[in-house]
Amino acid sequence: SQQGEEDPQALSIQEGENATMNCSYKTSINNLQWYRQNSGRGLVHLILIRSNEREKHSGRLRVTLDTSKKSSSLLITASRAADTASYFCATVPNSGGYQKVTFGTGTKLQVIP
Amino acid sequence: EAQVTQNPRYLITVTGKKLTVTCSQNMNHEYMSWYRQDPGLGLRQIYYSMNVEVTDKGDVPEGYKVSRKEKRNFPLILESPSPNQTSLYFCASSSQGRQPQHFGDGTRLSIL
Repeated sequence: SQQGEEDPQALSIQEGENATMNCSYKTSINNLQWYRQNSGRGLVHLILIRSNEREKHSGRLRVTLDTSKKSSSLLITASRAADTASYFCATVPNSGGYQKVTFGTGTKLQVIP
Repeated sequence: EAQVTQNPRYLITVTGKKLTVTCSQNMNHEYMSWYRQDPGLGLRQIYYSMNVEVTDKGDVPEGYKVSRKEKRNFPLILESPSPNQTSLYFCASSSQGRQPQHFGDGTRLSIL
């Protein structure tokens, strides 16, 4: 079953605007990771946030984590056409089965030049 | 260059004809994993391996086999492929199971 669920499924914005994607999950996690996928290509890791962290930044990316609500958000500021891609969250559980990584269904982002 | 290499990239085959998709990584990673990606379902984990000779089922292991005889290689075997295994497959590796994964470029399988 899918643990991570991204919202929205698709998002279309103008270049320069900010894009926010959300991820909800169901079980206790060790960390949550965000990945990007260009059409038909392999996923590329963007940022990892641990369960004891609330916010993390990397360049134009800002990730927040609310473990009480079991949710995370990815904010891309000042978007560019090159940010057009699908974005996935992945959860790593805190239990003994920490090897079992669960990906969400993804948010498809289109940035219009 | 650090990379995960999958072969073949594309394959069209017929029901019941055994096939193997190879995966190799050059980063000396302990953890390797296979996923399938289907529209609307995201990525689902098929099998993973914590180290040589240590493998375990993911969420959708039915119809697949794996082996990890060497640290760098983690082949995915479809003994008797069926049309519902038509999908885009990704191999990934990381230093440990909790760490971010490096992904291959994918293998698109079509089973007729």
